[in-house]
Parts: sequence; C-alpha cells; structure tokens
Amino acid sequence: NAGVMQNPRHLVRRRGQEARLRCSPMKGHSHVYWYRQLPEEGLKFMVYLQKENIIDESGMPKERFSAEFPKEGPSILRIQQVVRGDSAAYFCATQRQNTEAFFGQGTRLTVV
Amino acid sequence: GESVGLHLPTLSVQEGDNSIINCAYSNSASDYFIWYKQESGKGPQFIIDIRSNMDKRQGQRVTVLLNKTVKHLSLQIAATQPGDSAVYFCAENANFGNEKLTFGTGTRLTIIP
Repeated sequence: NAGVMQNPRHLVRRRGQEARLRCSPMKGHSHVYWYRQLPEEGLKFMVYLQKENIIDESGMPKERFSAEFPKEGPSILRIQQVVRGDSAAYFCATQRQNTEAFFGQGTRLTVV
Repeated sequence: GESVGLHLPTLSVQEGDNSIINCAYSNSASDYFIWYKQESGKGPQFIIDIRSNMDKRQGQRVTVLLNKTVKHLSLQIAATQPGDSAVYFCAENANFGNEKLTFGTGTRLTIIP
C-alpha cells in the first residue's frame, strides 16, 4: 500500500508564475489536509478537503491560493502569481474518517 | 487564537540516555494529541498519540504523558539512539479524524554519540 504521494518534490518558480502542487492520498483516504512549513517552524494548517468539497479553508490566504480535491485524481494546491514569501515546504496529510492522518514527503517550493 | 507551544527549542542527549520533550497547549477543548518526528527533508512521521481520556500511553521506547490539569504533554524516549535525532512536534485537535491539527513550533533533538 503506497503512502501519501506528493509531487513534485522540488519546484522552482519565478515571481509571477503559477505553482501546482499535487497530493495523491493513500488508498481509501477521502480526507486531505494541506499544511505549509517555513524553515525552523512548525506546520501551519491551510485547507481541509473531502472529495469535491472544501471543509475548512480558514488557513488559506484570501488571494492567489486555491485547492481542490476532485472525484478522480489527486488533490491540487494552486498558487497563482507566486511571490518570494510563498517559498516554503508544503505538506499534505490524508486519512480515512476517524483514523490517524499520514503525511507525504512534501513539495519544497522556491520562488526566485 | 488557540495554539500549541513547546518549552525548549533544542535538546542534546547522550546516546543511551533517556530524553523528555515537553509541550504546552492552550485549547481546553483539545481531545486528541499526537507526537510527530520530522527528519531533515522529510514529512512528519507519526510516533504516538493519546486521547484526552488517558494520561499515559506507551509504545516501543516511547511514552506520552498527558496532564490535562495544566495542559501539558510530554514525549519520553528511552535509550536514545543516533536515529532519534530529528525535530519533534506535538500537535492536537478537538475532533479526532475530522479536523485540522494545530502544531507546536518543534524541538530539535540531537543525540550525542
């Protein structure tokens, strides 16, 4: 049973470009959480999705950031018009209802 | 807002000794607590968890203690090994399996050979 898969592992974007980060849940997991981590800091919650629905987006910046978890395919975190401050590690975690969450290895976004 | 914080940012322990990592939380509604280990360049790895109806839980070489009175959580690692060197995070939520986790800042544990 494969773990949570995130790709790409590393992503470099120029300021103003778009970044797309993908998260493929473990088999049977219908809940996806996205977190952001700055160097030497803890993980900060961004958004919680279940299939085709956003459950909690209280941690998402109001502009430029969006997330989806379609019926088929991976969850996507999309950052439009990236700025240097978006540089961070982005992790997703997935779970079945009422079970523990498992994290992926993250995508490290660098904006140059 | 509510937050989870750690007392010590760094901890160095001699190989073979026991280590204790502490965590304070402020949300009195927190019901579920987890310790994660994060090695450089990797995602958080589940170590052990505990629900609020317990005050102690043991795993292999690890023990989590929960003191709800003072809102304090600790992770004890017995007989530390070089592979235990990592950053350790506590995290919590109030609705296991259906809610975001709130993470602490982390403690960097270094095992001295």
